[in-house]
Amino acid sequence: GAGVSQSPRYKVAKRGQDVALRCDPISGHVSLFWYQQALGQGPEFLTYFQNEAQLDKSGLPSDRFFAERPEGSVSTLKIQRTQQEDSAVYLCASSLRAAYSSTDTQYFGPGTRLTVL
Amino acid sequence: QQPVQSPQAVILREGEDAVINCSSSKALYSVHWYRQKHGEAPVFLMILLKGGEQKGHEKISASFNEKKQQSSLYLTASQLSYSGTYFCGTESAKTSYDKVIFGPGTSLSVIP
Repeated sequence: GAGVSQSPRYKVAKRGQDVALRCDPISGHVSLFWYQQALGQGPEFLTYFQNEAQLDKSGLPSDRFFAERPEGSVSTLKIQRTQQEDSAVYLCASSLRAAYSSTDTQYFGPGTRLTVL
Repeated sequence: QQPVQSPQAVILREGEDAVINCSSSKALYSVHWYRQKHGEAPVFLMILLKGGEQKGHEKISASFNEKKQQSSLYLTASQLSYSGTYFCGTESAKTSYDKVIFGPGTSLSVIP
C-alpha cells in the first residue's frame, strides 16, 4: 500500500486480557517506531526497529509490553495482562533509512485505539 | 526531555496568521513538525536541520535557532484546513542515534 497501515483500528479489552496490535510499514522502509499517545498528549516513544533488529526499547513502560518485527517488515506490539492505564492510541511510524545515520520523515499510521475496561 | 510548546491553544479567523513555538533544554540537531487532526494520523509538515537545511511544506514556513534551542512554525493566511493539533519533535545528537521526542502539542482552531 501507499502508506502505513495498522490493525485493528479499535480494540476493547477486558483488564487482564492480552492484545496484539499490527503495523504494516511502507514497503522498503528500514526504520519502524511505535508510540503511545494519551488523550490530549503528543506521541510518546515506545520502541525502535532497524529492519528486524530492535535497537531501542527504552520507552516500553513495563515488561508486559513486547514488540517484534521478525522479517524486517510487519511489526506486532503485544501487551500482556492489560491494565486500564494502557488505554491509549498506539501509533506506528516508518521511515526510509536507519535512524542512526539519517534524519528522515516519519510516516505515521492511523493508530489503534485501545480501551481497557 | 520533552520539548515545550507555546501557546497551548489558539483560535484564529480565516486569513489570520499564527506562530507556534517549540523550545528544548538540550542542544538540538533537528526539529520535526507534524499536524494531527482528530482521530487521524499525524501528518508531516517540515524538518529543520542544524546548519539551516529545511525540508517540507510549501505553504508553511519555520525557523530554527540553534543557539536558543528553539523553533517556530509560521502559519500565514490561515485556512479552515489548518485546524488541528501541531506537534514539534526534537532530536538531539546525530553523531549517534537519538530518538525524536514529541512535545505536548498546540491546538489550533480556524473559524470562518
